[in-house]
Amino acid sequence: QVRLVQSGAEVKKPGSSVRISCKASGGTFRGYDVNWVRRAPGQGLEWMGGTIPIFGTTNFAQNFQGRVTLGADEFTNTRYMELSSLRSDDTAVYYCAGSSGRGGLDVWGQGTTVIVS
Amino acid sequence: DIQMTQSPSSLSASVGDSVTLSCRASQDISIYLAWYQQKPGEAPNLLIYGAFSLQSGVPSRFSGSGSGTDFTLTISSLQPEDVATYYCQKYDSAPLTFGGGTKVEI
Repeated sequence: QVRLVQSGAEVKKPGSSVRISCKASGGTFRGYDVNWVRRAPGQGLEWMGGTIPIFGTTNFAQNFQGRVTLGADEFTNTRYMELSSLRSDDTAVYYCAGSSGRGGLDVWGQGTTVIVS
Repeated sequence: DIQMTQSPSSLSASVGDSVTLSCRASQDISIYLAWYQQKPGEAPNLLIYGAFSLQSGVPSRFSGSGSGTDFTLTISSLQPEDVATYYCQKYDSAPLTFGGGTKVEI
């Protein structure tokens, strides 16, 4: 099964942007719908956006519309998520996750810590 | 948007106990419901999809049930390694909302 390997921790200033990469190892993203999820300190999991299984459309949570950009580099089997206009409450661990189509997100990256300060 | 509500927010049980976690959707989501386990410092791990289908490699003491708006995750014999926070998630349509989580302690 494919493994997802994310980029390292980031420290950012308020108002700046962060770009997190998610590389498929041992396979490709073909057949996977990629989504992004975060967990802020003391909070639960929050879905940010991505490709919706079953439908194949790309959608974003209302909280992130206009601030999140998704990208892909098929040559390097890498997906990207850029979050702009960072605020202190964007401090969180960010995960990429893939759905192989049976249901749910069945493969996850290790997480990337982003600190906005 | 459909809201997902989990209860209780936390529970404490003994090794060997049967534990039941609840997840309620504010509207009918059929069986488009997944359960995840997240241990401290780790990424979430898919346990159940399609409300009751066990993900490959997940111990059989985990089981899911329900459809429509009410769902449950049962751990039939709680083990020390099951200490974690458990989340449900809907995936019938966007947004793919998570419940608030249930923290399970021994």
